[in-house]
Amino acid sequence: GAVVSQHPSWVICKSGTSVKIECRSLDFQATTMFWYRQFPKQSLMLMATSNEGSKATYEQGVEKDKFLINHASLTLSTLTVTSAHPEDSSFYICSAVQGFDTEAFFGQGTRLTVV
Amino acid sequence: DAKTTQPPSMDCAEGRAANLPCNHSTISGNEYVYWYRQIHSQGPQYIIHGLKNNETNEMASLIITEDRKSSTLILPHATLRDTAVYYCIVRVTGTASKLTFGTGTRLQVTL
Repeated sequence: GAVVSQHPSWVICKSGTSVKIECRSLDFQATTMFWYRQFPKQSLMLMATSNEGSKATYEQGVEKDKFLINHASLTLSTLTVTSAHPEDSSFYICSAVQGFDTEAFFGQGTRLTVV
Repeated sequence: DAKTTQPPSMDCAEGRAANLPCNHSTISGNEYVYWYRQIHSQGPQYIIHGLKNNETNEMASLIITEDRKSSTLILPHATLRDTAVYYCIVRVTGTASKLTFGTGTRLQVTL
């Protein structure tokens, strides 16, 4: 299957700082990318949907000013957690879709710990 | 997207077939059934998807009932590496629509 790479795999940051997570589709052009968050022993929760060159669509309850998403090219989307706090500690996962009626491929996830 | 219902957990002996059920009684005609799995601390892995016909690939088989209200994912010869949470998801066709994850089934493969 297609490869989606996330970077970094894990990050520890201090409370109040910002963290950027990158999601790249390595061997295909992703028309749409999705960002999820997963807390321990819970399922994945969709945060936002981003299409290349347009603003992201956020799910209800997700603060767009806190979780900044940029999808500047067909192979790269970034999620920036601004002014991170300990409650933002979680497993963040991106996925990418090449087109319509195709499966979504997922990155390996980024474990964020805010101390 | 229609909701799905899966048993929270299942056990399977290594080498035996693992049959994971999923109910999606409110599925619409333009919705596919997708299966993904997530091994601990990794991103989900695509397994298989189908619309109304049964599907098979190198990983698994997908059996969809004629009324499309339920489906079964079959891992023909489960191994310890198949231990994971398996998610059944329905998704609208014709768009790059989002995948909404439910709680999934935690499959434990044992010796």
